[in-house]
Amino acid sequence: SQQGEEDPQALSIQEGENATMNCSYKTSINNLQWYRQNSGRGLVHLILIRSNEREKHSGRLRVTLDTSKKSSSLLITASRAADTASYFCATDAVPYNTDKLIFGTGTRLQVFP
Amino acid sequence: DTEVTQTPKHLVMGMTNKKSLKCEQHMGHRAMYWYKQKAKKPPELMFVYSYEKLSINESVPSRFSPECPNSSLLNLHLHALQPEDSALYLCASSQGFGENTEAFFGQGTRLTVV
Repeated sequence: SQQGEEDPQALSIQEGENATMNCSYKTSINNLQWYRQNSGRGLVHLILIRSNEREKHSGRLRVTLDTSKKSSSLLITASRAADTASYFCATDAVPYNTDKLIFGTGTRLQVFP
Repeated sequence: DTEVTQTPKHLVMGMTNKKSLKCEQHMGHRAMYWYKQKAKKPPELMFVYSYEKLSINESVPSRFSPECPNSSLLNLHLHALQPEDSALYLCASSQGFGENTEAFFGQGTRLTVV
């Protein structure tokens, strides 16, 4: 089952531009995470935002969370060709004590040099 | 050591074969996961182990059989698979619910069923 849906499904930009991806989810959450996946490889954790936080920064990444709208966004500033990858949001799910971690549908980002 | 190690990296098996995927972590994580991922799709949760006990089975067919021999190891036993089971199988571990921590993923096993 999918907890989150992301848009856009695919995004193509030039190096130096900003990339924004959005994630919507269905149930209450404890936290929301963003992961990156290079083609055919494992996922790498980027950032985690707790349900009581509204915004978080890490380097060129900025994440926002709106629990009233059940949505989050990931902004990558000054993108580089090396940022080309798929990006997924992931949430835990109620009941929180099940260790469940569910991924959204993902956004494929292509950054052209 | 923040690594999750999966073996083998690639596996080709016939529909009558029995094989196993292995996953290992030494971070002391109490939650371990198996995900299945088809091309251009998100990882799909299969199983979760918490404290070495199976806590979640997402209605996975019985031809997939998970096993957690100890807190560092996770296996996925495969038997009588179908061609549509061909996918990337990902193992992950984390400190578990309520800890607000990340999951660490292995590089996956690329499985082809012929």
